[in-house]
Amino acid sequence: TQLLEQSPQFLSIQEGENLTVYCNSSSVFSSLQWYRQEPGEGPVLLVTVVTGGEVKKLKRLTFQFGDARKDSSLHITAAQPGDTGLYLCAGEENNAGKSTFGDGTTLTVKP
Amino acid sequence: DADVTQTPRNRITKTGKRIMLECSQTKGHDRMYWYRQDPGLGLRLIYYSFDVKDINKGEISDGYSVSRQAQAKFSLSLESAIPNQTALYFCATSDRLADSTDTQYFGPGTRLTVL
Repeated sequence: TQLLEQSPQFLSIQEGENLTVYCNSSSVFSSLQWYRQEPGEGPVLLVTVVTGGEVKKLKRLTFQFGDARKDSSLHITAAQPGDTGLYLCAGEENNAGKSTFGDGTTLTVKP
Repeated sequence: DADVTQTPRNRITKTGKRIMLECSQTKGHDRMYWYRQDPGLGLRLIYYSFDVKDINKGEISDGYSVSRQAQAKFSLSLESAIPNQTALYFCATSDRLADSTDTQYFGPGTRLTVL
């Protein structure tokens, strides 16, 4: 079973700061997703990446997929309190139709 | 209306009781999934279904069973609930017919407490 490691596990920053969270594995992924989850709700999709080296931007969020498709990063510029939440990465191996989730990064952005 | 709904949203039960959690979707997706989430952890896959006749065990299926009654409905049962099954349970869907990736869409979750 593939293992997805996310770091850091917890991150607390001030509004306006930049941050990066990481998702790493020894497995190669056919696709990788980032989700954001707020307390009491289900995860909501932020982005899907499929091509090695791919970079996608969503407003202040920048997602990068590693060249070897084994890792990914999420960078947030000028974080806002509304960015607070649990960020989860999930990787699909060999187009199997099911994904393994990392344990998540809990982000708190203080006003 | 939500595309993926789960009932009940909260449930408290006693050890040994049989519990069913239900999931319905209006997205027309072919694939459905059941996960559990424990504090400080990500999502762990219990069962998944690629269509009505194709049901597969996930990494933590022991103590659980599922039924795919129709393309839009996927229920999870705990035959004899035990306290360590206390968790948040999420249903999800994906549309493999239209999307070659495993992008999933989640319901709002069911908080289950087993006393």
